[in-house]
Amino acid sequence: QKEVEQNSGPLSVPEGAIASLNCTYSDRGSQSFFWYRQYSGKSPELIMSIYSNGDKEDGRFTAQLNKASQYVSLLIRDSQPSDSATYLCAVNEGYGGATNKLIFGTGTLLAVQP
Amino acid sequence: SQTIHQWPATLVQPVGSPLSLECTVEGTSNPNLYWYRQAAGRGLQLLFYSVGIGQISSEVPQNLSASRPQDRQFILSSKKLLLSDSGFYLCAWSVKSLGYGYTFGSGTRLTVV
Repeated sequence: QKEVEQNSGPLSVPEGAIASLNCTYSDRGSQSFFWYRQYSGKSPELIMSIYSNGDKEDGRFTAQLNKASQYVSLLIRDSQPSDSATYLCAVNEGYGGATNKLIFGTGTLLAVQP
Repeated sequence: SQTIHQWPATLVQPVGSPLSLECTVEGTSNPNLYWYRQAAGRGLQLLFYSVGIGQISSEVPQNLSASRPQDRQFILSSKKLLLSDSGFYLCAWSVKSLGYGYTFGSGTRLTVV
């Protein structure tokens, strides 16, 4: 059973702090990794993708990937109350070919305190 | 640009009634299409995916079925709803290659009473 695991939280951080969200995955064949943000009652929105080991920065967001440890993380700098949401980690099913199936974690609830 | 439409936004149906949820994609051709369900406080469960017209793969045995009558249309159906079918149903599309994320529709919140 291929799995993606996340701490459900809630992760509470003060406004302006760095929020660190973590994810581990079981499929060693996975090559593509994504972070989605889901506000309460809304559909998930893709915010970051990463494919190579190391860091990828986009504005206040940094995704980090370590394939040897099967670990993905998302850092949110200068956290704002508007960042309060559930963050879903998704990993492609290795060797899935054109079906491009993603396996989703259950998400981490982030609460940014003003 | 590509857009994905999903309707209705909310639905309250009695147990035993039929269901039809529709999803359409614009601005792309030959997409992969997916149906997910998210139960309250739970993760996303892949229900069906389709790589082409008439091609449906089911991920879990259940009370639901899916069809893809046109390239950019994906339909989720049930002949008789169960209480356990309640949830947030999401349609998504992706290009037909590894390495691309999904774009989700706005979702349908289904409550079976």
